[in-house]
Amino acid sequence: ETGVTQSPTHLIKTRGQQVTLRCSSQSGHNTVSWYQQALGQGPQFIFQYYREEENGRGNFPPRFSGLQFPNYSSELNVNALELDDSALYLCASSLDLQGDEKLFFGSGTQLSVL
Amino acid sequence: SQQGEEDPQALSIQEGENATMNCSYKTSINNLQWYRQNSGRGLVHLILIRSNEREKHSGRLRVTLDTSKKSSSLLITASRAADTASYFCATGQGSNYQLIWGAGTKLIIKP
Repeated sequence: ETGVTQSPTHLIKTRGQQVTLRCSSQSGHNTVSWYQQALGQGPQFIFQYYREEENGRGNFPPRFSGLQFPNYSSELNVNALELDDSALYLCASSLDLQGDEKLFFGSGTQLSVL
Repeated sequence: SQQGEEDPQALSIQEGENATMNCSYKTSINNLQWYRQNSGRGLVHLILIRSNEREKHSGRLRVTLDTSKKSSSLLITASRAADTASYFCATGQGSNYQLIWGAGTKLIIKP
């Protein structure tokens, strides 16, 4: 039990739609990161938020955006969904921005785009 | 793009045997972490080794790091059925706090 929860667990959308995925971090964790994991692959870093500000971003287009709130919750928004966006989306929280901190992951949201 | 490459991609052994997985990476790192993932769900942190460390132990887990070869290995001793999962290495680099992940090793423990 990592103390990180994600909702929903599964989601089906059609191409062109928009989706919002939610994450509740461990209390006191100031950093949240979002990852995309395609089937049979490792996680790909989307972006990271620290104290409600975006702190870093991976190689994902601007239609992937996020928010982090003061109550340790966060959102991943994806606009204009494409078929290739079908994947497991994982959020992970950590205490701070130290590079040697372990991440606490949620169980993920499985997104299917038809 | 992925920094790490795990080897082998898949490993099937008998319960009680030892399992060894390897991870190679391309650029200099601050630390390397190993995570486990059951059935394509959330990842669980196993162990972190810093770039100035060569070996680390945690219960039945032993991790080694060879920065000259840019490689790490994860050894699970006396494997159990519950160890069946995918194992990923992730590297942290420089001032960039992002982790870069390999594609994972799928471990199957046969009873």
